[in-house]
Amino acid sequence: NAGVMQNPRHLVRRRGQEARLRCSPMKGHSHVYWYRQLPEEGLKFMVYLQKENIIDESGMPKERFSAEFPKEGPSILRIQQVVRGDSAAYFCASSPPISRYPDEQFFGPGTRLTVL
Amino acid sequence: RKEVEQDPGPFNVPEGATVAFNCTYSNSASQSFFWYRQDCRKEPKLLMSVYSSGNEDGRFTAQLNRASQYISLLIRDSKLSDSATYLCVVNGRPGAGSYQLTFGKGTKLSVIP
Repeated sequence: NAGVMQNPRHLVRRRGQEARLRCSPMKGHSHVYWYRQLPEEGLKFMVYLQKENIIDESGMPKERFSAEFPKEGPSILRIQQVVRGDSAAYFCASSPPISRYPDEQFFGPGTRLTVL
Repeated sequence: RKEVEQDPGPFNVPEGATVAFNCTYSNSASQSFFWYRQDCRKEPKLLMSVYSSGNEDGRFTAQLNRASQYISLLIRDSKLSDSATYLCVVNGRPGAGSYQLTFGKGTKLSVIP
């Protein structure tokens, strides 16, 4: 059973460009979460999605950031007009719809975004 | 008070040693507690969930004290492969859904031959 998959693993962008990060949850998982880890910091919650629905985006910056989880295909975190402060590791996690252990989330390998 | 607070370390211990990590959390409404490990430049991996009665998994023992809002992780007979950063994680933040995991910054462990 493949784990959470993310691509690309590394992404380099110049200031002002757009970054698109993709996440495919584990098979059978319908809940997707995005977290950001700035250098020397803990992971911070950004957004929680289910298929075609944004459940909670309270951790997302108000501008330039958006997320979606379409009916078909991976979840996408989109950052428009990137700035140097967006440089971080972005982790996606997933969980099943019903779990014996609520709140357990399984993480993908992350996308390391570097903004030049 | 930080939402989840951990001693950053590093803890440098010889192989075979016993090492304990502590963590405190601020949200008294949290219901789920975890220890994750994170290797350098890798994703966090769930090590164990922490239950009220305490739980053990091989060389690893986790304890929870809700009254003190304190979580601990004990590693016995340390192996070189235990070298990693250990993340204390709790669910929920005041006013937020329980699915929002709140991570500590982690405690770095280096096991030395």
